[in-house]
Amino acid sequence: DQQVKQNSPSLSVQEGRISILNCDYTNSMFDYFLWYKKYPAEGPTFLISISSIKDKNEDGRFTVFLNKSAKHLSLHIVPSQPGDSAVYFCAASGNFGNEKLTFGTGTRLTIIP
Amino acid sequence: DVKVTQSSRYLVKRTGEKVFLECVQDMDHENMFWYRQDPGLGLRLIYFSYDVKMKEKGDIPEGYSVSREKKERFSLILESASTNQTSMYLCASSIPGQAGWEQYFGPGTRLTVT
Repeated sequence: DQQVKQNSPSLSVQEGRISILNCDYTNSMFDYFLWYKKYPAEGPTFLISISSIKDKNEDGRFTVFLNKSAKHLSLHIVPSQPGDSAVYFCAASGNFGNEKLTFGTGTRLTIIP
Repeated sequence: DVKVTQSSRYLVKRTGEKVFLECVQDMDHENMFWYRQDPGLGLRLIYFSYDVKMKEKGDIPEGYSVSREKKERFSLILESASTNQTSMYLCASSIPGQAGWEQYFGPGTRLTVT
């Protein structure tokens, strides 16, 4: 039972344009949502997160949007740069004290110069 | 900077061997995790630990065990390695209450079982 889903295994975007990565979840008990970025042969690194009490969080070129009614979140990268080429995982966790993260299957983003 | 290190980057073992994967974190984090990453399946949680000598099963614990004798060290054990355990293994640590419940990952161990 995949509680966090990333339906696009891959995405290609022209350099300078906007990259939009999507994630859907089924568990309404999730309270926090996170995005991780992973380069080959490296561990994932934290990118940005959002609490369920918000609908948007922005950090530089990265913005995460949360639509609780649709159980959907998205990561926007503007403008996209070649160094953004990586696999992106969304993850979700429950209430405070529950550290367990549930990850999606990942989306491979390729930025075309 | 938080540092999570894993004992090996690449490991090749034979079927039936006992395999130890070691993970050490240097930030006094209470929580530690073991995941495996496989193509098309994302990161799946094998085991996690909230404290020394404390462990809880994740989503796919079968065929694995763990040990946490010291706060900074969390070991994953494959009692009798099988070919379906060929995977990338990732260790992570975190502190309760950090913004977004960020987990910090090690570089991973690519295990091949032949």
